[in-house]
Amino acid sequence: NAGVTQTPKFQVLKTGQSMTLQCAQDMNHEYMSWYRQDPGMGLRLIHYSVGAGITDQGEVPNGYNVSRSTTEDFPLRLLSAAPSQTSVYFCASRGFGTGDSGNTIYFGEGSWLTVV
Amino acid sequence: SQQGEEDPQALSIQEGENATMNCSYKTSINNLQWYRQNSGRGLVHLILIRSNEREKHSGRLRVTLDTSKKSSSLLITASRAADTASYFCATANSGTYKYIFGTGTRLKVLA
Repeated sequence: NAGVTQTPKFQVLKTGQSMTLQCAQDMNHEYMSWYRQDPGMGLRLIHYSVGAGITDQGEVPNGYNVSRSTTEDFPLRLLSAAPSQTSVYFCASRGFGTGDSGNTIYFGEGSWLTVV
Repeated sequence: SQQGEEDPQALSIQEGENATMNCSYKTSINNLQWYRQNSGRGLVHLILIRSNEREKHSGRLRVTLDTSKKSSSLLITASRAADTASYFCATANSGTYKYIFGTGTRLKVLA
């Protein structure tokens, strides 16, 4: 059971380039989300999804696109990278079961993105 | 703006001492969760407390929730060097799945 898998682990982009951060989970979780983490800012929610075909904006959605064509995958697309998007990105998922385990959010190990 | 705000921002204690960190939030919630993040790693779930609970224990962890003050505290007893990490609270507005995390408390336990 791999849990939440993110790729790539590290990426350097030039300003204006586009790229996709991949996220996959094998726990059949309906809820998936993307956060970015900057020093002193905690985690900020970018986009989230409550099921295939359903996405919604979080706190900081500008400059990012998402889609959810399958339950397993939730890619995050940077349309035109900017230095302000230099950050660590985390993908997360949870199921909708009852009980404490049903409410637990599982995180990937992070993707370090630098935009120069 | 952040739904959850932790304080203190940083905490340094000696091994064996207790560590207390606090979280404040802004709206009605169904539950509040605490997570731990080791440097350079993803977050790991520690404990969940529901809005109708006032206190919950798990091993060396004790969580309290005061919904009237919209605040929670996490107590780690008999801390160890391995507890050195950042700790975050997470909440979602009642009826939503928009989980918002606070800015975290950086705990350093000195051996």
